[in-house]
Amino acid sequence: EPEVTQTPSHQVTQMGQEVILRCVPISNHLYFYWYRQILGQKVEFLVSFYNNEISEKSEIFDDQFSVERPDGSNFTLKIRSTKLEDSAMYFCASSSDRSNTEAFFGQGTRLTVV
Amino acid sequence: AQSVTQLGSHVSVSEGALVLLRCNYSSSVPPYLFWYVQYPNQGLQLLLKYTSAATLVKGINGFEAEFKKSETSFHLTKPSAHMSDAAEYFCAVSNYGGATNKLIFGTGTLLAVQP
Repeated sequence: EPEVTQTPSHQVTQMGQEVILRCVPISNHLYFYWYRQILGQKVEFLVSFYNNEISEKSEIFDDQFSVERPDGSNFTLKIRSTKLEDSAMYFCASSSDRSNTEAFFGQGTRLTVV
Repeated sequence: AQSVTQLGSHVSVSEGALVLLRCNYSSSVPPYLFWYVQYPNQGLQLLLKYTSAATLVKGINGFEAEFKKSETSFHLTKPSAHMSDAAEYFCAVSNYGGATNKLIFGTGTLLAVQP
């Protein structure tokens, strides 16, 4: 069964450092998303990406965040200068169509900023 | 704006008992509604979805949910709880035909199943 793959599963970084979270969406999917879940809180939408550009972003997704699909298979989330409050589980998701009858989620990357 | 409200952050049932997890939604357009399950240290797995077809939706692992427009509800039920059902459950809403198809999640309900 096709699945969304995220690496690494856990990343520890020092405050102020840049991190790149990587995702390989399902191969024939066209819509890609990043969500995050701060420990004990709900899952929050960060950004959606289609046709090599951001289609929507939340107010959380400020200038320190960026996304890229560098090679047609990977989908990355970069946090330029991490803050303690960026510590969270980050989920990548993909879907095949705009109606989003099903979004498939990866296992998540737990980011810990120290 | 769309939103979902999950009543009860923690629900505890005995093995074999009925599971009822509540979700109410708010949407100015006909919604798509979803229930996702998250097992410890794992990602989100889709349990079931409502996409404007049948109002009673059956999902995996014996779960089902009924879309009730008059009550703006999409409660998740399972007739008989199993120990393996212990997990966190998230209700989510999305709108079809929108510019994007982001999911708006509720705060989650942690289900505990007692032996």
